[in-house]
Amino acid sequence: GNSVTQMEGPVTLSEEAFLTINCTYTATGYPSLFWYVQYPGEGLQLLLKATKADDKGSNKGFEATYRKETTSFHLEKGSVQVSDSAVYFCALKYSGAGSYQLTFGKGTKLSVIP
Amino acid sequence: GAGVSQSPSNKVTEKGKDVELRCDPISGHTALYWYRQSLGQGLEFLIYFQGNSAPDKSGLPSDRFSAERTGGSVSTLTIQRTQQEDSAVYLCASSLDPGARSETQYFGPGTRLLVL
Repeated sequence: GNSVTQMEGPVTLSEEAFLTINCTYTATGYPSLFWYVQYPGEGLQLLLKATKADDKGSNKGFEATYRKETTSFHLEKGSVQVSDSAVYFCALKYSGAGSYQLTFGKGTKLSVIP
Repeated sequence: GAGVSQSPSNKVTEKGKDVELRCDPISGHTALYWYRQSLGQGLEFLIYFQGNSAPDKSGLPSDRFSAERTGGSVSTLTIQRTQQEDSAVYLCASSLDPGARSETQYFGPGTRLLVL
């Protein structure tokens, strides 16, 4: 079946530090890949996505590249801010046999300190 | 509406009681999903609607869970004879084109259910 594995948290960084959150996936087909973010007290929202190999998704200074050869979609940001403190979820969608559900990783909690 | 809305935002119930959770998707979105977010299990898919039909119910954990959607809009998730392990945040999402690889699912704020 499909699954997503992302690095365990929590992750604590100082402001302006470099961020990487690792995400790898297992899928029976050729999925689309997503990063969702959940800010404190808010709902889940899409951060970025990529639909084919070597695609780079980007938003708000975050980037992730779809690496089919390593089945990975690592999230990176060059300089984090306090406002980036949130829980980040990697997810995949495999559109096979009419099933369009998202399969999520467990989430990584990021805390950025001033 | 502007976004996906869910009600109630919080629900406390006693073990054995039935509960109904409501989701109002974004206007015009034909696809609607229910997910459950719990500490132990993370985010789990429950059921997917296309219009009023549910082609994928594979995530419903037991026959105590059911859902319906009427008028291609509002959906209700019903949990009968609630158990303590049902305590979780229930999330609803909607989308416009579920078959598209680039489909974005838009999530509501969730209903936090606590079973005592």
